[in-house]
Amino acid sequence: DAGITQSPRHKVTETGTPVTLRCHQTENHRYMYWYRQDPGHGLRLIHYSYGVKDTDKGEVSDGYSVSRSKTEDFLLTLESATSSQTSVYFCAIKDNSDNEQFFGPGTRLTVL
Amino acid sequence: GENVEQHPSTLSVQEGDSAVIKCTYSDSASNYFPWYKQELGKGPQLIIDIRSNVGEKKDQRIAVTLNKTAKHFSLHITETQPEDSAVYFCAASIHNDMRFGAGTRLTVKP
Repeated sequence: DAGITQSPRHKVTETGTPVTLRCHQTENHRYMYWYRQDPGHGLRLIHYSYGVKDTDKGEVSDGYSVSRSKTEDFLLTLESATSSQTSVYFCAIKDNSDNEQFFGPGTRLTVL
Repeated sequence: GENVEQHPSTLSVQEGDSAVIKCTYSDSASNYFPWYKQELGKGPQLIIDIRSNVGEKKDQRIAVTLNKTAKHFSLHITETQPEDSAVYFCAASIHNDMRFGAGTRLTVKP
């Protein structure tokens, strides 16, 4: 998966609890993305980062926050998880000089 | 924002036949159109892409065509094999805003 890892790979949590998902890359790529994948919707962009401490919102950012304190790590936080945030979350990375995004293996999150 | 529609949602073909998946997009400013293959339990992987200044691109059994005027693009897989069975996603991108179609589940029957 092009030097991308996600942790945890699976998580079950309860409504109202905070959750943080981690994406780690070893490619030194500038851009990092968080998507969620739901049946019938394909992948939808939550937030992305274009450098350390530089982030921007995507299509479905409500209820999510992100942080990027170093090039290799991009964190996605659900401050207070809801059942509608049950999904598979994918991280992706992209080099500055290309359009191709490389995806991680995904994190399956279940909010009960 | 950009809206990408993908058809069909499921496609079943006999091994050796061709498979065609079609996508339309709404924003004429989109300039990059990748196709991803996703196998069960894995992340999507790029199989082919095309940029807005090109009408067709081929890589062995896979080809993509782009019609900018009509705002649609298609994936063609020839001589399908059982290992082609997966979910395929199209996408349209402007800068960092990539919008995906809902996916096509392709099944190749031996």
